Amino acid sequence: QKEVEQNSGPLSVPEGAIASLNCTYSDRVSQSFFWYRQYSGKSPELIMSIYSNGDKEDGRFTAQLNKASQYVSLLIRDSQPSDSATYLCAVNRPTGGGGADGLTFGKGTHLIIQP
Amino acid sequence: DVKVTQSSRYLVKRTGEKVFLECVQDMDHENMFWYRQDPGLGLRLIYFSYDVKMKEKGDIPEGYSVSREKKERFSLILESASTNQTSMYLCASSPHHGGGGEAFFGQGTRLTVV
Repeated sequence: QKEVEQNSGPLSVPEGAIASLNCTYSDRVSQSFFWYRQYSGKSPELIMSIYSNGDKEDGRFTAQLNKASQYVSLLIRDSQPSDSATYLCAVNRPTGGGGADGLTFGKGTHLIIQP
Repeated sequence: DVKVTQSSRYLVKRTGEKVFLECVQDMDHENMFWYRQDPGLGLRLIYFSYDVKMKEKGDIPEGYSVSREKKERFSLILESASTNQTSMYLCASSPHHGGGGEAFFGQGTRLTVV
């Protein structure tokens, strides 16, 4: 069973600060990495995808990938109370059979932005 | 925008009933997925499909089956509902054949089996 590990939290961050969320994965052949945000009672919403080593920035969000260390992170700058949610790390699960891979999800980190 | 629509937001069914959960996507995606989400266990893949009439088992297929007769529609079937199938069920689709692409979720169906 391939694993995706996240600290469950809660992670409490003051408003305006940088929130740092981390994720490790076990399958070295994974090539695609995603961050989803999930508000309580809602479905996951894709916020970032990253496919190559390094940083990828989109507005206040930066995803970082280090395949050698099997590590993915998400930085949220200028954190807002509306960023309070559970953040799910997801990694593609290659089958090599030409069909859809699906995603393996971590259990999520609960982020709380304190006003 | 990608739209994935699940037929019901909430369902209550009795033990032993046959239950159908329907999912429709409007973006011509090849891949569709069914997950369930439980507290402390996270999201787990039940079944997925990469083409019409094609299906593959995920991590927890026992007690479930699926149907994909049309590209836009993917149905999850609980053959004989049990209380341990009480959960949030999430349908997703993705555009990339061969996998690796981002998945977009429906609003979820909260199923309670009594």
